[in-house]
Amino acid sequence: AQTVTQSQPEMSVQEAETVTLSCTYDTSENNYYLFWYKQPPSRQMILVIRQEAYKQQNATENRFSVNFQKAAKSFSLKISDSQLGDTAMYFCAFMKTYSGAGSYQLTFGKGTKLSVIP
Amino acid sequence: GAVVSQHPSRVICKSGTSVKIECRSLDFQATTMFWYRQFPKQSLMLMATSNEGSKATYEQGVEKDKFLINHASLTLSTLTVTSAHPEDSSFYICSAKPQGSAGELFFGEGSRLTVL
Repeated sequence: AQTVTQSQPEMSVQEAETVTLSCTYDTSENNYYLFWYKQPPSRQMILVIRQEAYKQQNATENRFSVNFQKAAKSFSLKISDSQLGDTAMYFCAFMKTYSGAGSYQLTFGKGTKLSVIP
Repeated sequence: GAVVSQHPSRVICKSGTSVKIECRSLDFQATTMFWYRQFPKQSLMLMATSNEGSKATYEQGVEKDKFLINHASLTLSTLTVTSAHPEDSSFYICSAKPQGSAGELFFGEGSRLTVL
């Protein structure tokens, strides 16, 4: 079974500054996806960024980037130039990629509540 | 991006009644949908995997007779909470996997159930 650990229950950052959210995971799989999802007060889950485990290059989406360390099973999210709209719960998630039982299921971490301070 | 719609967004019901929540993929076909439950200030807990045309697969500890899941078409899955009790009050979220895609799920807006 997979586990996802987010060790920072809450974090805060000044507007326009940079913040890094931590995530570690445990799996015996070699091929998988990792995700960061954002859940604002509206509760709608929004995909922030996705990383395929077979890709060595770290994924980047505008102000959001990841530091994927496969050997260390670490997947941190960096938010640059933080904006007030980034205030939300952030969940790290793991997905196996093979077909069969349990495929495409997401295993979520407990989340990190990020507050962007004006 | 792909859109998943959940309805109703909020529902209040009396104890003992049944409530149905719908999850629709509006612009894609979804062979697989997932149902989650989220308690306040907690993460999403997978309840079951819904596959079109077959029985849902429930996670350990989730009562299949309590939470009935039907995935009758490629765009609709329903979750029925039967004989609801106050402890069933929660936020329920669905996600859908587009047919033929890999590694991407789209989430509904969620449904808040309050059982009085």
